[in-house]
Amino acid sequence: QVQLAQSGAEVKKPGSSVKVSCRVSGGTFRTYGINWVRQAPGQGLEWLGEIIPLFGTVKTAQKFQGRLTITADTSTGTAYLDLSSLRSEDTAVYYCAREAVSSSGFSAQYGMDVWGQGTTVIVS
Amino acid sequence: DIQMTQSPSSLSASVGDRVTITCRASQSISTNLNWYQQKPGKAPKLLIYAAFNLQNGVPSRFSGSGSGTDFTLTISRLQPEDFVTYYCQQSHSRSYSFGQGTKLQIK
Repeated sequence: QVQLAQSGAEVKKPGSSVKVSCRVSGGTFRTYGINWVRQAPGQGLEWLGEIIPLFGTVKTAQKFQGRLTITADTSTGTAYLDLSSLRSEDTAVYYCAREAVSSSGFSAQYGMDVWGQGTTVIVS
Repeated sequence: DIQMTQSPSSLSASVGDRVTITCRASQSISTNLNWYQQKPGKAPKLLIYAAFNLQNGVPSRFSGSGSGTDFTLTISRLQPEDFVTYYCQQSHSRSYSFGQGTKLQIK
């Protein structure tokens, strides 16, 4: 059974950076996309970006361009989210979620079917 | 970017009722629309993918329909565990986006 295990909670100062990891176990890593989604306290879901390890492709929401970096280590089956210049509005639970992709690297349209447990990031 | 608008933002219903949640895209997204259920303090769970396909293990009282810009999630015969929050999400464009959510409450 595929599981996504995320790193632990973080408390950061404004202006600093945070790096959250997402380790995939029990399944194939390279042929899926790993999305990052966050949820501020009491708010809805916000998509941040995605990496497809097989192709090395990354896409990020325009809102975060310039301070969001998404990477993956295929040797360990781990994806990383790195968010810099943190501000209080970045306080949220950050989730990783797996998505099937086609052989051409686009979404296979099966939705985000497996999610990590979430990582709380507090900026204060 | 494609904007997703869900309605209503909250909905009161009773156990056994049938309810419908609507999601509208700011431009056509074909059937590239997914629905998620989220319980408090938990990660979202995929219910429906590609507009109308039921994810494995999801009860058949959940169903989805629509294409283009207008989509619906229907829950027939509400159960107590269904009174949580639901989100739509488009995977049509390069940049994905979610609806703002619909909270289902017990009347």
